[in-house]
Amino acid sequence: DTAVSQTPKYLVTQMGNDKSIKCEQNLGHDTMYWYKQDSKKFLKIMFSYNNKELIINETVPNRFSPKSPDKAHLNLHINSLELGDSAVYFCASSPPGLAGINEQFFGPGTRLTVL
Amino acid sequence: QKEVEQNSGPLSVPEGAIASLNCTYSDRGSQSFFWYRQYSGKSPELIMSIYSNGDKEDGRFTAQLNKASQYVSLLIRDSQPSDSATYLCAVNSGGYQKVTFGTGTKLQVIP
Repeated sequence: DTAVSQTPKYLVTQMGNDKSIKCEQNLGHDTMYWYKQDSKKFLKIMFSYNNKELIINETVPNRFSPKSPDKAHLNLHINSLELGDSAVYFCASSPPGLAGINEQFFGPGTRLTVL
Repeated sequence: QKEVEQNSGPLSVPEGAIASLNCTYSDRGSQSFFWYRQYSGKSPELIMSIYSNGDKEDGRFTAQLNKASQYVSLLIRDSQPSDSATYLCAVNSGGYQKVTFGTGTKLQVIP
């Protein structure tokens, strides 16, 4: 199946721990994203990579570090987890095209709960 | 001022009626506009995109764009209970590959 996949689907951990979320897309897209959706359902962009290069880096604590080993993968590592990091994290990808035209395809999400 | 604004709802419509969802945006340079549907506990799913002024129809869905008024809307004809979801408006605000989402409007279609 062609899709954007994420692992794990659920992540429950203690404050202060370090965790990673993995994302893979087999759609042949050049651009990948990480979004955070909080308890109020607001979807906010965190990072974007185009062909393994970081192109968007919103105001995110530097405890969050994305890594793109190739254009099909974008992982998110989070250090020293805090209660406020609890949210659903979505990975997305978009096809190449004219700048400004970028329909995004989302993964199933990773629900992170920090205790 | 929020970049992309939507009424959070819930918007309740009876089955078979037309649901009208609205969105305003602040950046006049915005070029691309999208509507995503998100069911509870699921990921956003693209249902419509529109790039030029006017209407764009796809099945029961019609997207309307008015760049002069900085307004984009989504009409759902013959609403079904399965349309009950949160609808997210998204706007490309000119930044390369960056899309800003509104907070979403929750739609409830009453059988």
